[in-house]
Amino acid sequence: DAGITQSPRHKVTETGTPVTLRCHQTENHRYMYWYRQDPGHGLRLIHYSYGVKDTDKGEVSDGYSVSRSKTEDFLLTLESATSSQTSVYFCAIREREPLNEQFFGPGTRLTVL
Amino acid sequence: DQQVKQNSPSLSVQEGRISILNCDYTNSMFDYFLWYKKYPAEGPTFLISISSIKDKNEDGRFTVFLNKSAKHLSLHIVPSQPGDSAVYFCAASANTGNQFYFGTGTSLTVIP
Repeated sequence: DAGITQSPRHKVTETGTPVTLRCHQTENHRYMYWYRQDPGHGLRLIHYSYGVKDTDKGEVSDGYSVSRSKTEDFLLTLESATSSQTSVYFCAIREREPLNEQFFGPGTRLTVL
Repeated sequence: DQQVKQNSPSLSVQEGRISILNCDYTNSMFDYFLWYKKYPAEGPTFLISISSIKDKNEDGRFTVFLNKSAKHLSLHIVPSQPGDSAVYFCAASANTGNQFYFGTGTSLTVIP
């Protein structure tokens, strides 16, 4: 199994508070991704990174920011959490060559009250 | 706009029979397709993939078929086992891009 951990695994917070989720990999893979999974929507890309300090937006990036200061860590920040950001968040990693598939972390369940 | 669609939210199959999960896509630039399996409270795990230069890829009980003209792919599981009960996501990407687009998932139940 790919070495990906996410922390925290569960979090309950209140509307308006900042939240940071961490993804940590031990595989030295170049690409890292943040997705959210919601009923009826499948997995939707929030942001991704293609190298240290190199990030780009996905299809649902509003209200989220990311940072990648080291190859192994990719942080997702909700500057001011809203109830619509209650979701399960998955981190994924990918090494472009020779494999193209993504490997996913175990997920973080975030509840915003 | 959903570029990858799984129109069947759920599927029930008897143990030992074939399970067929379907996926449609709209973007003709997609050239790499994947299937992931997800159990509750776990992250998705990679199952099988296919490049657009092929129309079939097989791995044990799992076979993926790609029909490029119809922009359609399917996953066949033969024979189905109770442990196959999970949510299955199809995904697609273009070789020129770094993003993957996922369908909404199909929940497969294999009845013993």
